[in-house]
Amino acid sequence: DADVTQTPRNRITKTGKRIMLECSQTKGHDRMYWYRQDPGLGLRLIYYSFDVKDINKGEISDGYSVSRQAQAKFSLSLESAIPNQTALYFCATSDLGSQTGANVLTFGAGSRLTVL
Amino acid sequence: AQSVTQPDIHITVSEGASLELRCNYSYGATPYLFWYVQSPGQGLQLLLKYFSGDTLVQGIKGFEAEFKRSQSSFNLRKPSVHWSDAAEYFCAVGAGSSNTGKLIFGQGTTLQVKP
Repeated sequence: DADVTQTPRNRITKTGKRIMLECSQTKGHDRMYWYRQDPGLGLRLIYYSFDVKDINKGEISDGYSVSRQAQAKFSLSLESAIPNQTALYFCATSDLGSQTGANVLTFGAGSRLTVL
Repeated sequence: AQSVTQPDIHITVSEGASLELRCNYSYGATPYLFWYVQSPGQGLQLLLKYFSGDTLVQGIKGFEAEFKRSQSSFNLRKPSVHWSDAAEYFCAVGAGSSNTGKLIFGQGTTLQVKP
């Protein structure tokens, strides 16, 4: 089984619908992230969570919300989806590295969302 | 604000040829730098990272990168490319005063390998 699992892997929905993308991890990491990938723009941070009670907005949080249900679960919601939210969404986890304090992200396989 | 630029959107090389993917960053302090690879339909996999110390960093799959502070660059290299290296490559810099796991990504470079 993958260390970071995202569901669904593909979803097509209509404008105005509520959508939830789920992420679960077995790495035991405290930190979880949601990124969005668009062609030519790389990945941009939507939300991140350093523990269950610590949730923070990223670069592009408008139109999105998140829920950290447990250490291992971090969900991304689109309350009312719009076409420009069509993108590939990645969940990632990290743990504080030793010595340097720097950490490294482990990514899920991605959830491709299409909003018509 | 931190930023990362990958000047080459698309690169094509012949199998067995050498490869260099360029990455330039903007950051006021010593950066934490990363290269990730994304194969079609897959998530991102870490190739290598630079935190401090030796400026030439070795990674997986035969890749290496060199941190050049004077040029604000962290270019990725491989001496001999294999067909399986065809993928999209992302350079990233750790954001914030200390690496919190928040990364700023470049736009990505798509590598095509010719037989």
